Amino acid sequence: GQQVMQIPQYQHVQEGEDFTTYCNSSTTLSNIQWYKQRPGGHPVFLIQLVKSGEVKKQKRLTFQFGEAKKNSSLHITATQTTDVGTYFCAGADLYNQGGKLIFGQGTELSVKP
Amino acid sequence: SAVISQKPSRDICQRGTSLTIQCQVDSQVTMMFWYRQQPGQSLTLIATANQGSEATYESGFVIDKFPISRPNLTFSTLTVSNMSPEDSSIYLCSVELTGGPNEQFFGPGTRLTVL
Repeated sequence: GQQVMQIPQYQHVQEGEDFTTYCNSSTTLSNIQWYKQRPGGHPVFLIQLVKSGEVKKQKRLTFQFGEAKKNSSLHITATQTTDVGTYFCAGADLYNQGGKLIFGQGTELSVKP
Repeated sequence: SAVISQKPSRDICQRGTSLTIQCQVDSQVTMMFWYRQQPGQSLTLIATANQGSEATYESGFVIDKFPISRPNLTFSTLTVSNMSPEDSSIYLCSVELTGGPNEQFFGPGTRLTVL
């Protein structure tokens, strides 16, 4: 079945450093979504990418969708302590019916002030 | 967006018992999902619950163990039956808004501990 792999599992950075997490799918995706889960909280939607090669920005966050629609990345510039949490990618298979998402394992980000 | 509530927020249960988790949405939605998230782990889809039809279960999850009801467009329940310590986890419901982009909105989760 479809698998979504995400690396790294953990990332510890000094405040102000950049951070990147990578997501790879075993199958071609119709879209990829990114979620953030704060410690003790629930996943919160960040963004959806649909087009091949798409790049979207939200302030210090940059999201990319690969040309083959099988990989994606999230880059945070100049991390802040408010960025702490686990970032999940979630892919919808190209031939998926019914909105089913497969979540990656997540990257837990800690930021040292 | 959607506001989702879940009851209970947490529970401690004895082995062999069952717990029913409720999920309430503030708007009518077609697509509802139930996930399990073990501490420090990713989200695993248990089933998709659409109103008016039987729930669709993912591999490794069966109706006898996780019966789901979806009586209307704003409510669903998930029952964890005949619990064992391996069922200790966070259970989350989520919804996908009808007619919108297929982002999912998650409830706050139910933290279940089975002794």
